[in-house]
Amino acid sequence: KNEVEQSPQNLTAQEGEFITINCSYSVGISALHWLQQHPGGGIVSLFMLSSGKKKHGRLIATINIQEKHSSLHITASHPRDSAVYICAVVGSGNQFYFGTGTSLTVIP
Amino acid sequence: NAGVTQTPKFRVLKTGQSMTLLCAQDMNHEYMYWYRQDPGMGLRLIHYSVGEGTTAKGEVPDGYNVSRLKKQNFLLGLESAAPSQTSVYFCASRWGRVTEAFFGQGTRLTVV
Repeated sequence: KNEVEQSPQNLTAQEGEFITINCSYSVGISALHWLQQHPGGGIVSLFMLSSGKKKHGRLIATINIQEKHSSLHITASHPRDSAVYICAVVGSGNQFYFGTGTSLTVIP
Repeated sequence: NAGVTQTPKFRVLKTGQSMTLLCAQDMNHEYMYWYRQDPGMGLRLIHYSVGEGTTAKGEVPDGYNVSRLKKQNFLLGLESAAPSQTSVYFCASRWGRVTEAFFGQGTRLTVV
């Protein structure tokens, strides 16, 4: 069973496009994380959310606790945004539950 | 401030060999985790620790052991490596349950 589902799995966009990646989860959570992983690279935390919305530069993350859904938006996408974006939730225990990731390619 | 450091970054093992992966963090974090990442699957938890001297099993603990003798270090051991343990291993740490997580750069392990 997958506690965290992401969509789409793969996404190709032209530079400058607005991008949305979705995450749905089925467990009760205390927080949701959006992570970024560049090819062959490590994992970096972009956001941690427990309610509402957060913005950092061109990235915006929102969460709807009632609907168990979060979105990651990238405005004015750039080739350097090409990466895998991973949604992870913190359940009632000490563990993370991870989505399988969305692979984003931004074409110049 | 190094954050989370994993050593080694790459390793090739022969079936049956043993090795230890080291995760070190300099942020005084209580919680530390070892995950493996395989193609088409999300990160899967191997073992975790909620403080010095404590460890617990995760989703896929078989074939692995861990130790947290010092708060800053979390060691992952492979007792007798198998090809099924070929994977990328990530360590993570955080201060509390609802705090930001920090990840290491990963260790790419190949078992032949």
